[in-house]
Amino acid sequence: DTAVSQTPKYLVTQMGNDKSIKCEQNLGHDTMYWYKQDSKKFLKIMFSYNNKELIINETVPNRFSPKSPDKAHLNLHINSLELGDSAVYFCASSLGTGGYGYTFGSGTRLTVV
Amino acid sequence: DAKTTQPPSMDCAEGRAANLPCNHSTISGNEYVYWYRQIHSQGPQYIIHGLKNNETNEMASLIITEDRKSSTLILPHATLRDTAVYYCIVRVASGGGADGLTFGKGTHLIIQP
Repeated sequence: DTAVSQTPKYLVTQMGNDKSIKCEQNLGHDTMYWYKQDSKKFLKIMFSYNNKELIINETVPNRFSPKSPDKAHLNLHINSLELGDSAVYFCASSLGTGGYGYTFGSGTRLTVV
Repeated sequence: DAKTTQPPSMDCAEGRAANLPCNHSTISGNEYVYWYRQIHSQGPQYIIHGLKNNETNEMASLIITEDRKSSTLILPHATLRDTAVYYCIVRVASGGGADGLTFGKGTHLIIQP
């Protein structure tokens, strides 16, 4: 069983479209995250979420929004896609908020044309 | 989280020990040292962590200096599959807030055949 699964793995879409990336974890973790890795390979956190709080990186445009139907899922919705949104997006989860045992998904490569 | 400094890249011959250094001179007493790696096109993967004692697991060893201002990750017998970007992260073990891991630029370790 895949611990953290993301779908789709690849996503090609036109500017202006709205898209979603789904993430599910079966580890029983209580905190989930979305990271963005740009063309320069920097990994930057976008959101972190548990049942108590949502933390949003202040640099993330409000076109991006996380949606968590339950503790095992954290989906990423993106409105009005722009060329600069092209990147690899990684979902991750952890038990607690320390640094141990983060488990990452395999990533979604988003290309906006 | 305390800031870390790593060399941008390193080479190591296959079969040799790979020693990856990390400086974290501003580490606080309750912060741990965590190591993750990202193999090309995959999500980051947890390797090992420690507070002040040396640690070893099936993947690697972690040596932390007595003053805790630096550490070394050791891959005892490097293989080509160990080629990856290695991230040293300093963070509290718990209660650090749901703001996720902060990744720096890491060290790109290249294992040479």
